[in-house]
Amino acid sequence: DVKVTQSSRYLVKRTGEKVFLECVQDMDHENMFWYRQDPGLGLRLIYFSYDVKMKEKGDIPEGYSVSREKKERFSLILESASTNQTSMYLCASSFASGGPEKLFFGSGTQLSVL
Amino acid sequence: AQTVTQSQPEMSVQEAETVTLSCTYDTSESDYYLFWYKQPPSRQMILVIRQEAYKQQNATENRFSVNFQKAAKSFSLKISDSQLGDAAMYFCAYNFGNEKLTFGTGTRLTIIP
Repeated sequence: DVKVTQSSRYLVKRTGEKVFLECVQDMDHENMFWYRQDPGLGLRLIYFSYDVKMKEKGDIPEGYSVSREKKERFSLILESASTNQTSMYLCASSFASGGPEKLFFGSGTQLSVL
Repeated sequence: AQTVTQSQPEMSVQEAETVTLSCTYDTSESDYYLFWYKQPPSRQMILVIRQEAYKQQNATENRFSVNFQKAAKSFSLKISDSQLGDAAMYFCAYNFGNEKLTFGTGTRLTIIP
């Protein structure tokens, strides 16, 4: 089975801290995604990557950056965490076929910024 | 921009009964894909069913089926013989041929024993 692993299930940080959310997939997928999930807003795409060292902005990239140094790992970085970044963060991966392949998701990281 | 609307924030159904979750979307494209994803309490989202817009036949996966109305831009999910394990958030999603999905706001489904 494909496994997408997010490093933390729950995380509590202080305003202004630099936060790293890590995601690792074990299926050699080219594409990796970071979504943010908020009640009443659904899932919104922050960033995605279709190859090592490649990244593209999603719909809400402000306040976030990403890093993909290895194919299996995709990191989301909050340079200076703010309370409005309190949310559930979901990582996903998929094969690259030029079309909409099935997404495989991690179990999410619930981040609280105090 | 494409939008996906799920107008039912919460739904409930008696175990063994049938329930239908609604989804509408807005697009100017003619060839696209639609999905339903399920997020159980474990939080790990899984694909339930997928529909290609060029296919007139409605997709079916065991107890899950869709009613795809292209002209009306409607894509509802029918769950037959509801089971306790069907309790989850259900998200409708749209894609027009790249790797990015646009998700709706979700419907929380409760199964009543």
